[in-house]
Amino acid sequence: RKEVEQDPGPFNVPEGATVAFNCTYSNSASQSFFWYRQDCRKEPKLLMSVYSSGNEDGRFTAQLNRASQYISLLIRDSKLSDSATYLCALNTGGFKTIFGAGTRLFVKA
Amino acid sequence: NAGVTQTPKFQVLKTGQSMTLQCAQDMNHNSMYWYRQDPGMGLRLIYYSASEGTTDKGEVPNGYNVSRLNKREFSLRLESAAPSQTSVYFCATPPRPEETQYFGPGTRLLVL
Repeated sequence: RKEVEQDPGPFNVPEGATVAFNCTYSNSASQSFFWYRQDCRKEPKLLMSVYSSGNEDGRFTAQLNRASQYISLLIRDSKLSDSATYLCALNTGGFKTIFGAGTRLFVKA
Repeated sequence: NAGVTQTPKFQVLKTGQSMTLQCAQDMNHNSMYWYRQDPGMGLRLIYYSASEGTTDKGEVPNGYNVSRLNKREFSLRLESAAPSQTSVYFCATPPRPEETQYFGPGTRLLVL
């Protein structure tokens, strides 16, 4: 089993839709969690850190479920500019950060 | 501040050629990382450097060597390039190991 798994998509949604991505992980000792956004032919950039209590930043909400070992990202009122690949990542302690392969999102007009 | 810079942006090599990918950061971070990104595989750690003067293997170190020249610079060397090393290479650095990583713009490498 991969340490981090994401549905590769693509997710094709209309503008204004709500879309959710999940990311499951296998190492229960994982300590910190992140969502990154990666535009085509660009580097990944941090979208949000994911906290145990959940956190929200505008249209974006991230959740952590330690019992079921997954993190989620919810995007409300999707915009064309949200089209990108979304990578989840987690740190298992020390110098090891594991990245998922990413979920591609296309938002259509 | 430039953050994390990488050179070159693009490179085409023939099998067996060598090259060095350069990375520099002006964020004053201790640790630096080299990843490769392939379709469907996500980012895989090649080598990392916890601090100046130290380097350690990651998940896919075979065929690569690294040098942590000073606190700012971390280079990745391919001694004898192979087609399997065709990839996009990213350098990254976090404020602390468990925190978010800041990535350079990447180097696209094609090995023929």
